[in-house]
Amino acid sequence: GAVVSQHPSRVICKSGTSVKIECRSLDFQATTMFWYRQFPKQSLMLMATSNEGSKATYEQGVEKDKFLINHASLTLSTLTVTSAHPEDSSFYICSAGGLAKANIQYFGAGTRLSVL
Amino acid sequence: DAKTTQPPSMDCAEGRAANLPCNHSTISGNEYVYWYRQIHSQGPQYIIHGLKNNETNEMASLIITEDRKSSTLILPHATLRDTAVYYCIVRVTGNQFYFGTGTSLTVIP
Repeated sequence: GAVVSQHPSRVICKSGTSVKIECRSLDFQATTMFWYRQFPKQSLMLMATSNEGSKATYEQGVEKDKFLINHASLTLSTLTVTSAHPEDSSFYICSAGGLAKANIQYFGAGTRLSVL
Repeated sequence: DAKTTQPPSMDCAEGRAANLPCNHSTISGNEYVYWYRQIHSQGPQYIIHGLKNNETNEMASLIITEDRKSSTLILPHATLRDTAVYYCIVRVTGNQFYFGTGTSLTVIP
């Protein structure tokens, strides 16, 4: 299957700082990428759809000014958590898709964010 | 919102077949069913997908009922490494995936 790389795998930061997470499709071009967050013992929650060359589409209840998404190329999307606070601590996961008619999504390994 | 319902947990003996059910009674005619699994603290792994016909690959088989309102993922010979949370997803328009609560499968030695 296709490979999606996510970096960093883990980050610890102080409250008030901003954190950038990168998501790369290594062997295919992804016009659309997706960002999810997952709290302990819960399912994945879709945060936003990232479209190459255009503004991201955010799910209801997700603050676009808090979670900045940039999809500047067909292989890279970034999520920046601005002014992070302890409640932003979570597991963030990206996916990329569109490889086939059925639009299978391939997921990154995730980023564990801990805000102190 | 997720369009699927799954049992919260299941056990399976190692070496036996694991049959994971999923209900998707509101599925539309052109919507695919996807199965993923997530091992603790990792990103979801694609397993299989289908539209109408039964599908099989090296990982699993997918049985879709004729009315398409439910499906079953079959792991033919479960191993301890198959212990994970399994998600059944029906893709909505716009290609978004909305994850339900999934089934936590425990393979028992």
